[in-house]
Amino acid sequence: AQKVTQAQTEISVVEKEDVTLDCVYETRDTTYYLFWYKQPPSGELVFLIRRNSFDEQNEISGRYSWNFQKSTSSFNFTITASQVVDSAVYFCALAGSGTYKYIFGTGTRLKVLA
Amino acid sequence: DVKVTQSSRYLVKRTGEKVFLECVQDMDHENMFWYRQDPGLGLRLIYFSYDVKMKEKGDIPEGYSVSREKKERFSLILESASTNQTSMYLCASSLPGLALSEQFFGPGTRLTVL
Repeated sequence: AQKVTQAQTEISVVEKEDVTLDCVYETRDTTYYLFWYKQPPSGELVFLIRRNSFDEQNEISGRYSWNFQKSTSSFNFTITASQVVDSAVYFCALAGSGTYKYIFGTGTRLKVLA
Repeated sequence: DVKVTQSSRYLVKRTGEKVFLECVQDMDHENMFWYRQDPGLGLRLIYFSYDVKMKEKGDIPEGYSVSREKKERFSLILESASTNQTSMYLCASSLPGLALSEQFFGPGTRLTVL
């Protein structure tokens, strides 16, 4: 069975702090895809990144970075120097090859305080 | 930019009413999806469609049906609304093929069934 666990329900940080959101997944597929989405208060999920199972390179995009480790089945997301605009719910998702379906985690609510 | 629109942001209905939630995308995407989002449960797939008139059940199809008569439009139907269907409903679309492509989400419809 496929599963995504986001153990952190809610995190609060003060602006400019770094914060890491954890994502642990389970799958028996050898080919799969991992995603992160941001859901701001407006409600619309915004795509942040996709990673396939054969690409373990870490990625950095501005203040955002992702650490994919197959050995620990984790795909963690770090925001450096957080800002109030980063306040949102963040979802990690998994999709196996040969399927249309995403399996979403339960989300982590990030609050960045000014 | 891909635009996914949903007919209502907020909807209040009474138990037993028939409810239609409409979703329209403007990027000629083959795949469309309906999810419901509940606190602590993340996003759960209700139905998806990979082509006009084609549909497949997701994880929680009971109490729902869908219609896709045109490529750009995917409707979710609650035949007889019940209070346990009070939720946030999210529509998404993606390019053809399986899970490789990221999904683009609409702003959501918050449905309350009284």
